[in-house]
Amino acid sequence: DAGITQSPRHKVTETGTPVTLRCHQTENHRYMYWYRQDPGHGLRLIHYSYGVKDTDKGEVSDGYSVSRSKTEDFLLTLESATSSQTSVYFCAISDSVDNSPLHFGNGTRLTVT
Amino acid sequence: AQTVTQSQPEMSVQEAETVTLSCTYDTSESDYYLFWYKQPPSRQMILVIRQEAYKQQNATENRFSVNFQKAAKSFSLKISDSQLGDAAMYFCAYRGTQGGSEKLVFGKGTKLTVNP
Repeated sequence: DAGITQSPRHKVTETGTPVTLRCHQTENHRYMYWYRQDPGHGLRLIHYSYGVKDTDKGEVSDGYSVSRSKTEDFLLTLESATSSQTSVYFCAISDSVDNSPLHFGNGTRLTVT
Repeated sequence: AQTVTQSQPEMSVQEAETVTLSCTYDTSESDYYLFWYKQPPSRQMILVIRQEAYKQQNATENRFSVNFQKAAKSFSLKISDSQLGDAAMYFCAYRGTQGGSEKLVFGKGTKLTVNP
């Protein structure tokens, strides 16, 4: 399995607090992604990165920001968490944009109360 | 924007039988890639099979095969000799080759139950 570590695995936080989720890879892959998974919605792309300091928005980026200061780390920040951001968050990596699949981390379950 | 539709929220199959999961997609591109992922209760996302649109031959991986109909924009997954371990959520995904090719677009998933 691709070396992807997400931390934390679970988190409970209160509305209005900032939250940062971390994704760390050991594969030296260029592309990194943050998806959220919600029942009835599948996986939806929040933000992605195509290199150090190079990021772009996905389809559900409102309320989220990301940073990638090193190849191996991709951080997702909720500046002020809301209950609608309760979800399972997946990080994924890919080494190219052809038929290379995304390799996923084990996910972070975030609950905003 | 490309969209992926999985019209069956839930499916069930008897152990050892065959089941087909449906996936359709909307795109104006002629070159692209399609994937099926499996998500068991452990939450891990596992690649099942992939298909390049320029290849006419349907991809096969052991008991898993696809029926790729490019003109119909259809990409169904057939699971033969179903096993209890096949019970999972299955997601179809699309990746284009033009603008935005970095992204995988997922369908909403099909929950597969395997009955003993």
